[in-house]
Amino acid sequence: KAGVTQTPRYLIKTRGQQVTLSCSPISGHRSVSWYQQTPGQGLQFLFEYFSETQRNKGNFPGRFSGRQFSNSRSEMNVSTLELGDSALYLCASSPDGTGGTDTQYFGPGTRLTVL
Amino acid sequence: QKEVEQNSGPLSVPEGAIASLNCTYSDRGSQSFFWYRQYSGKSPELIMSIYSNGDKEDGRFTAQLNKASQYVSLLIRDSQPSDSATYLCAALRNNDMRFGAGTRLTVKP
Repeated sequence: KAGVTQTPRYLIKTRGQQVTLSCSPISGHRSVSWYQQTPGQGLQFLFEYFSETQRNKGNFPGRFSGRQFSNSRSEMNVSTLELGDSALYLCASSPDGTGGTDTQYFGPGTRLTVL
Repeated sequence: QKEVEQNSGPLSVPEGAIASLNCTYSDRGSQSFFWYRQYSGKSPELIMSIYSNGDKEDGRFTAQLNKASQYVSLLIRDSQPSDSATYLCAALRNNDMRFGAGTRLTVKP
């Protein structure tokens, strides 16, 4: 089985722009979670989607949004970029994200740099 | 208080020694626990998952869970330089996964 894929792998934007990141989960996985990782804050949960519905959301401003398509692929969007949004954005997929035993598998991440 | 806490390290052990990584969590409703390894510049990769109290062994790795104490640990036996990485502890409750800040481990040849 192919793993989780994320595109693009690297992105450079300027303040005020917006960006869209894409994630394709492992085949058969229906839950997709997004995380932001920075040296200072570690791995922080952004949101989780299942069957095209956002089920859970972390403590991030409304500039961060996402969606999931019927094929379980997911996108996240960040509008009005700020310097502090520079981070590694990780996507993780799991079969259904419930039951308390689901394991998340991470993609390679998208490295976003905001200038 | 952070939901999942780990000693940030760095933890340094000689090659061949046992490395012990610890983690505590605050949400008693957490159902499953995971250890991920993350090399610099790479994404986290799953090492172990544990759901029940007690020990779970997989090769050189042993995860220990004590729900009463809200404590999870990872032991790495016969540590190798290739084990040098940041180890992330995570707790899952329903569809909400929370990570610790990670412990940086260095195994010296």
